[in-house]
Amino acid sequence: GQNIDQPTEMTATEGAIVQINCTYQTSGFNGLFWYQQHAGEAPTFLSYNVLDGLEEKGRFSSFLSRSKGYSYLLLKELQMKDSASYLCAVRDSNYQLIWGAGTKLIIKP
Amino acid sequence: GAVVSQHPSWVICKSGTSVKIECRSLDFQATTMFWYRQFPKQSLMLMATSNEGSKATYEQGVEKDKFLINHASLTLSTLTVTSAHPEDSSFYICSASSGDVGELFFGEGSRLTVL
Repeated sequence: GQNIDQPTEMTATEGAIVQINCTYQTSGFNGLFWYQQHAGEAPTFLSYNVLDGLEEKGRFSSFLSRSKGYSYLLLKELQMKDSASYLCAVRDSNYQLIWGAGTKLIIKP
Repeated sequence: GAVVSQHPSWVICKSGTSVKIECRSLDFQATTMFWYRQFPKQSLMLMATSNEGSKATYEQGVEKDKFLINHASLTLSTLTVTSAHPEDSSFYICSASSGDVGELFFGEGSRLTVL
């Protein structure tokens, strides 16, 4: 079966760095997405990785290793507004998006 | 970036009535749109994939006669919840792909409450 695993919840301190991991087992691979979702709102796009390596976009970076079925989202200089759920999703060989359950990130002062 | 607009943002209806939710891609053509449902504290659940000019593809367990999806143009898809019941109360979200770099853009979501 297809599966996306990510931690349920993480806690970090304002100003620090946090890494949210995502591992996947899917039938084929056509890209991995990270989305941020604040409570009660729709998800917003953060990053898209289809090739191995690190993609940096401001305070956020996303890494992909296709051979390991592994990705992480790195958030630097954490701000209180970064408190949200972070969703990992993989597009399989049928171009269907398989979603992880999301990681709730709690930022403490 | 690309914009997807969803309307209404929230709706309250009586049990047994039907509710239509619209999803529009404002600055790009979306041949494929996706409809999701999200219950509190849970992740997105794909309901169906909507393709312009053809029938939607529904996920297992989603009743196609209850959740009617129409994708009449490259910029508009609609989801109609027919004969709504309280258990249909949820956050419904649409998304569309620009098709360029794989990004998927979401509408603002529609919160449905069935009394």
